Amino acid sequence: GNSVTQMEGPVTLSEEAFLTINCTYTATGYPSLFWYVQYPGEGLQLLLKATKADDKGSNKGFEATYRKETTSFHLEKGSVQVSDSAVYFCALSRNQFYFGTGTSLTVIP
Amino acid sequence: EAGVAQSPRYKIIEKRQSVAFWCNPISGHATLYWYQQILGQGPKLLIQFQNNGVVDDSQLPKDRFSAERLKGVDSTLKIQPAKLEDSAVYLCASSSLTFLAGHNTDTQYFGPGTRLTVL
Repeated sequence: GNSVTQMEGPVTLSEEAFLTINCTYTATGYPSLFWYVQYPGEGLQLLLKATKADDKGSNKGFEATYRKETTSFHLEKGSVQVSDSAVYFCALSRNQFYFGTGTSLTVIP
Repeated sequence: EAGVAQSPRYKIIEKRQSVAFWCNPISGHATLYWYQQILGQGPKLLIQFQNNGVVDDSQLPKDRFSAERLKGVDSTLKIQPAKLEDSAVYLCASSSLTFLAGHNTDTQYFGPGTRLTVL
């Protein structure tokens, strides 16, 4: 079947620290991969996506590379800010969307 | 461009009561989704519409949940009767591309959700 496993949180970092949130997937065929972000009190927003192997999605300083050989799509940011505090969801699309359980990130000044 | 609208934002009911949620997607978006997000979990797809037809409702508990999108625009999701385990946030999302089986690369735009508490 299709599923997404992502790193459990919560994650707490100091401002300007490096961020990695791990995401691995199981899927038949070749899914598209997404990272969504949910800021406090708001709905989910697309952060970035990649539609084929070796594609790199990027947005707002965040990056993730579609790694078919390791079935991974890890989210990274070189220097986090307080405003990045949110819940991050990894998702795949294969006939329908499958979401991970979410990773809560808190960035402290 | 206006986003996905949902109402109400919050609802508290007692078990065995009925409740309905409303969603208005982004104008022109053919595909509409309803998700259930239980606290601490990721969103789970309940039903997906393309225009006014159902594409996937395999995870919709049809003995108590129903959804419609009569004119291919806004949609309602109903629970009757509600159970304690239905307490969750109900999310509506829409996307513009026509759904094609096997590979959906389109971006889904989410509404703010309706937080349902069943007592």
